[in-house]
Amino acid sequence: QQQVKQSPQSLIVQKGGISIINCAYENTAFDYFPWYQQFPGKGPALLIAIRPDVSEKKEGRFTISFNKSAKQFSLHIMDSQPGDSATYFCAAIWGGGNFNKFYFGSGTKLNVKP
Amino acid sequence: DAGVIQSPRHEVTEMGQEVTLRCKPISGHNSLFWYRQTMMRGLELLIYFNNNVPIDDSGMPEDRFSAKMPNASFSTLKIQPSEPRDSAVYFCASSYEGHTEAFFGQGTRLTVV
Repeated sequence: QQQVKQSPQSLIVQKGGISIINCAYENTAFDYFPWYQQFPGKGPALLIAIRPDVSEKKEGRFTISFNKSAKQFSLHIMDSQPGDSATYFCAAIWGGGNFNKFYFGSGTKLNVKP
Repeated sequence: DAGVIQSPRHEVTEMGQEVTLRCKPISGHNSLFWYRQTMMRGLELLIYFNNNVPIDDSGMPEDRFSAKMPNASFSTLKIQPSEPRDSAVYFCASSYEGHTEAFFGQGTRLTVV
């Protein structure tokens, strides 16, 4: 059973446009929601993250919107650039006890066209 | 620190052969994760160690897969016997207990023919 559901699977955006990737979860025990960015041939790397007590977090062109009641969160990339072309994974972390267990969505391949 | 180091980067093997993937976590990290990435299923958590002890191996697909962490600086993921459907990129990641960022290695691309 997939703990975190991510959509769309792929996304094509023109340079300067807004990229939006959505994720949903079921387990209300999750207490941290990061987004990871993966370039070809590389491992995923942390991009931005949010805790459920905050509805929005912005870092530069990247914004996470979080809807706790709907159990949904999304990544918005403003003024998308060709260099943003990568695969993006949302994740949810359960910090049960002393252990942090990471669950990832299935990924979204973003292609920003010049 | 050099980050999480995985070896080999690429592995091509014949069906039925044993395959061993290796991982060196970041020094000081005490949580280690093995993930498998495929187009169909994305990133799947296979097994999770904390302080060298397997905490959750519910993601290991079947008995052909096994993982060990004999010490804090080394882990292996073994597939025996390998099958074509095991072809994927396998990632190792490490984290410090209680911290919320996982650091990934560059992955091992496994092809079973």
